[in-house]
Amino acid sequence: RKEVEQDPGPFNVPEGATVAFNCTYSNSASQSFFWYRQDCRKEPKLLMSVYSSGNEDGRFTAQLNRASQYISLLIRDSKLSDSATYLCVVRINDYKLSFGAGTTVTVRA
Amino acid sequence: GAGVSQSPSNKVTEKGKDVELRCDPISGHTALYWYRQSLGQGLEFLIYFQGNSAPDKSGLPSDRFSAERTGGSVSTLTIQRTQQEDSAVYLCASVGSSYEQYFGPGTRLTVT
Repeated sequence: RKEVEQDPGPFNVPEGATVAFNCTYSNSASQSFFWYRQDCRKEPKLLMSVYSSGNEDGRFTAQLNRASQYISLLIRDSKLSDSATYLCVVRINDYKLSFGAGTTVTVRA
Repeated sequence: GAGVSQSPSNKVTEKGKDVELRCDPISGHTALYWYRQSLGQGLEFLIYFQGNSAPDKSGLPSDRFSAERTGGSVSTLTIQRTQQEDSAVYLCASVGSSYEQYFGPGTRLTVT
């Protein structure tokens, strides 16, 4: 079983819609969680860290469910510029990080 | 402040040649990762450096790959006797105090 698994998508949504997707992790001792976005042929960029209580950054909301070992990302009022691949990253210990393969989101006009 | 820089941005080399890829991390960051990403694929971990500790080389695909980090700052990834399957984007990431990674723009390596 992979350490971090994501639904690859693609999620095709119209502008203004809400889209949400999850990432599951296998190691219950995982310590930190992040969402990155990666645009085509570009490097990944940190979108947000995920805190235990859940956190929001503008139209983006991240949640952590330790009992079920998943994190989620919800995007409200989708914009065309939200089209990207979203990578889930889990810190296992110290500096050992595991990346998911990414979820592709396409927002259409 | 300055982000992570990598050079060269693009490298085309003939099969069998050696290549060196360079990463300049963010000043003060003690940890640094190398990844590679083939077209349409996820990130593949190669190696990480943390301070003065021995690097974790567990992701290096073969003994043709090596990396070093001089003075706890600049890192170079060397691929000897390149093969066509080495063609990929090689990404370096510098790690902040809260474990967030800051990626460089990558080096696109093409082996002909």
